[in-house]
Amino acid sequence: EVQLVESGGGLVQPGGSLRLSCAASGFTFSDHYMDWFRQAPGKGLEWVVRTLNKLNSYTTQYAASVRGRFTISRDDSKISLQMNSLKTEDTAVYYCARDSMRGGGFDYWGQGTLVTVSP
Amino acid sequence: DIVMTQSPLSLPVTPGEPASISCRSSQSLDNYLDWYLQKPGQSPQLLIYLGSTRASGVPDRFSGSGSGTDFTLKISRVEAEDVGVYYCMQALQTPRTFGQGTKVEIK
Repeated sequence: EVQLVESGGGLVQPGGSLRLSCAASGFTFSDHYMDWFRQAPGKGLEWVVRTLNKLNSYTTQYAASVRGRFTISRDDSKISLQMNSLKTEDTAVYYCARDSMRGGGFDYWGQGTLVTVSP
Repeated sequence: DIVMTQSPLSLPVTPGEPASISCRSSQSLDNYLDWYLQKPGQSPQLLIYLGSTRASGVPDRFSGSGSGTDFTLKISRVEAEDVGVYYCMQALQTPRTFGQGTKVEIK
């Protein structure tokens, strides 16, 4: 069974840092692109960052709003999102999701972890 | 970035009746368009990918159509469990971008 479990959310002051993790299981992790999305309170979905698969050297891609502040990394079974220089507008529920590949959409999502950036 | 526009943004529906949501993109997507449903208090779930292919386990009352810049999600007979916010997302390029969401609620 495919599972994605996020952790690491919490309350942080503007300018601070936080590290999110997404533990993956139940599939060949290295075969899949993995992405982070976020959803501000009462708002829609926003794509944040992606890491490609092993075949594509785990190349990373970032949304303009987080480039230079956020860094995605991955190991054998987990992706992490290091968030620095946090702003109030980064407040959101952060979801990790698995790209099914071959155009098949994001077929598995984690439960989400809440990040609150507030003085 | 590709801009995605959904309509309507709110859709009151009667159980057993059909429902339809439109999604338009600012440039051609070919068929690289996904539909997601976010039920209240839950993570998004994949309904449709490549414009018209139902994801695993999705009931056949859901169907997707369209290509290029105009897409439609149809529910043939709405059930109470279908309430939530429906999002289209372009899968052609990064950054992935979503429509504003269509909130479906029971009348």
